[in-house]
Amino acid sequence: QVQLVESGGGLVKPGGSLRLSCAASGFTFSDYYMSWIRQTPGKGLEWISYITTSSRYTNYADSVKGRFTISRDDARTSLYLQMNSLRAEDTAVYYCARVHSMMFLGVWGQGTMVTVSS
Amino acid sequence: QSVLTQPPSVSAAPGQKVTISCSGSSSNIGNNDVSWYQQLPGTAPKLLIYDNNKRPSGIPDRFSGSKSGTSATLGITGLQTGDEADYYCGTWDSSLSGVVFGGGTKLTVL
Repeated sequence: QVQLVESGGGLVKPGGSLRLSCAASGFTFSDYYMSWIRQTPGKGLEWISYITTSSRYTNYADSVKGRFTISRDDARTSLYLQMNSLRAEDTAVYYCARVHSMMFLGVWGQGTMVTVSS
Repeated sequence: QSVLTQPPSVSAAPGQKVTISCSGSSSNIGNNDVSWYQQLPGTAPKLLIYDNNKRPSGIPDRFSGSKSGTSATLGITGLQTGDEADYYCGTWDSSLSGVVFGGGTKLTVL
């Protein structure tokens, strides 16, 4: 079945780095745009980045621009998020999601928790 | 502060109907399709409605969506206790070149 599984979350100090991964299965990964969304504990959803097919184009929310980098490896059917210069306000559950036409998020992973704290 | 505006909470009795509103602007809802997501307690969000009013396979027809101008509405009929969840609207924002969400609405089935 169609599945997305995130990994790589954990506790990191302010200013540190972390790389999240999202393993996709059950569909032709290379055919889809992919996205990262985060959710602060007890708060709402925040879209942070997306990547088109063939990694042709990426875009980021202002809150992470210049610090986070989205990438994909179609051979490994995996999506990544490199997070640098982490701040306390980056503490959240990070979800990867499959993007469909008109940019709705059709499939979500279970999420991975990132905590930025000294 | 979310780009799209939703009521923080709604409630209704089992078997009743409830609607959840989502208000935006011409750069988002006014010119793009709306999707709705259901987040049950302790789980990841799940697509409920896409392209304003379409339901993915497996979503019962108790759930419906509509859009008019710069606002959208999610309707749920025949409420069940299992419908208690947070509901989020989302759409593309042409000015931000990104997806925007509402702040979420907590549904309580009394």
